[in-house]
Amino acid sequence: GESVGLHLPTLSVQEGDNSIINCAYSNSASDYFIWYKQESGKGPQFIIDIRSNMDKRQGQRVTVLLNKTVKHLSLQIAATQPGDSAVYFCAENHTGRRALTFGSGTRLQVQP
Amino acid sequence: DADVTQTPRNRITKTGKRIMLECSQTKGHDRMYWYRQDPGLGLRLIYYSFDVKDINKGEISDGYSVSRQAQAKFSLSLESAIPNQTALYFCATAASGVPVETQYFGPGTRLLVL
Repeated sequence: GESVGLHLPTLSVQEGDNSIINCAYSNSASDYFIWYKQESGKGPQFIIDIRSNMDKRQGQRVTVLLNKTVKHLSLQIAATQPGDSAVYFCAENHTGRRALTFGSGTRLQVQP
Repeated sequence: DADVTQTPRNRITKTGKRIMLECSQTKGHDRMYWYRQDPGLGLRLIYYSFDVKDINKGEISDGYSVSRQAQAKFSLSLESAIPNQTALYFCATAASGVPVETQYFGPGTRLLVL
């Protein structure tokens, strides 16, 4: 069946370094991907999305890369800050399906 | 997101009790969702609704029911709570009629079933 998963459950980085969070998916029909950030005690918050007709999309300090060949998605955070500490989820959907499938999440810890 | 509110924020109940979790939104979205989150796991979809007369089961609907009383309100009920329903519950909303779907989440309800 379809699945969305992450390579690492916890990522620890130094403040100011770049962070890369990875996500693998298995459904070839997936055509829409989203990254969410969940801070402690809060609900997930939308960060950035990308459709399958793109391989890169940039936001403010964040970049999402999509490699459809290997079914891999990554979130890059530039100049990581303490406020970036959170759990990050990827999610996917495909045309005709009415709900997202979420991955299990990666915890990002930013060391001062 | 303050536009999506959930009540209560925390709840302790006993096995066998019926409880209801409420979700309200002021975003004017048609689509509403209930998710469950367990420690170390991602979000799992319980139920979703695309309008007032539309109710759909998600991947883990057993033991739960929902009611979409109005566009702005979507309630989740546990008919007879059991300990393995202890979890963090999130409501989310999304707009319809757009090419892509971005969900906006409430702050969550932490439920403990004893």
